[in-house]
Amino acid sequence: KAGVTQTPRYLIKTRGQQVTLSCSPISGHRSVSWYQQTPGQGLQFLFEYFSETQRNKGNFPGRFSGRQFSNSRSEMNVSTLELGDSALYLCASSVAPTNEKLFFGSGTQLSVL
Amino acid sequence: DQQVKQNSPSLSVQEGRISILNCDYTNSMFDYFLWYKKYPAEGPTFLISISSIKDKNEDGRFTVFLNKSAKHLSLHIVPSQPGDSAVYFCAASVGGFNKFYFGSGTKLNVKP
Repeated sequence: KAGVTQTPRYLIKTRGQQVTLSCSPISGHRSVSWYQQTPGQGLQFLFEYFSETQRNKGNFPGRFSGRQFSNSRSEMNVSTLELGDSALYLCASSVAPTNEKLFFGSGTQLSVL
Repeated sequence: DQQVKQNSPSLSVQEGRISILNCDYTNSMFDYFLWYKKYPAEGPTFLISISSIKDKNEDGRFTVFLNKSAKHLSLHIVPSQPGDSAVYFCAASVGGFNKFYFGSGTKLNVKP
């Protein structure tokens, strides 16, 4: 069974640009969550989607947005990039949206110059 | 505000000995806890979980202990192996939602 796939693996952008990251969950998983990891910090919750609906949102500005498609694949978008957005963005999937262990992808390393 | 804290950034243990990783939390509403292991350039992988109705859960060499009154969680690895060298994260959630609060991680080094 294929794991969680995130593309691209690495991304370099400049301030003010926007970026879209993609996540394909494990087959049969309908819940997708996104986390941001910065050096020295734990993972910070961005949002969670289940059945194309955002169920939870973390404490991030509106520049961070996401969506989920009918095949459970998810994208997150960051507009007007700032230097502080440089981070590892991790996507995780689970079968259901409640008390489930998360299966993480390898992440997208975003560098904002 | 960091609701889940791992106060030890690193831990070094001899192979075969016990590794004890600690985690403290501030939100008494947390009712589900997990531990993840992360190798460089990989995503975190699930290790073990515990619900707040329990105070201990075991899975092979891994045991998680929960002390609700102290708001403290610990992961015991016995015996420790060099392959256990990784960063360990604890995480907690409330009310059955998949919104997890993670600690900042503890880097475990198991020396041969």
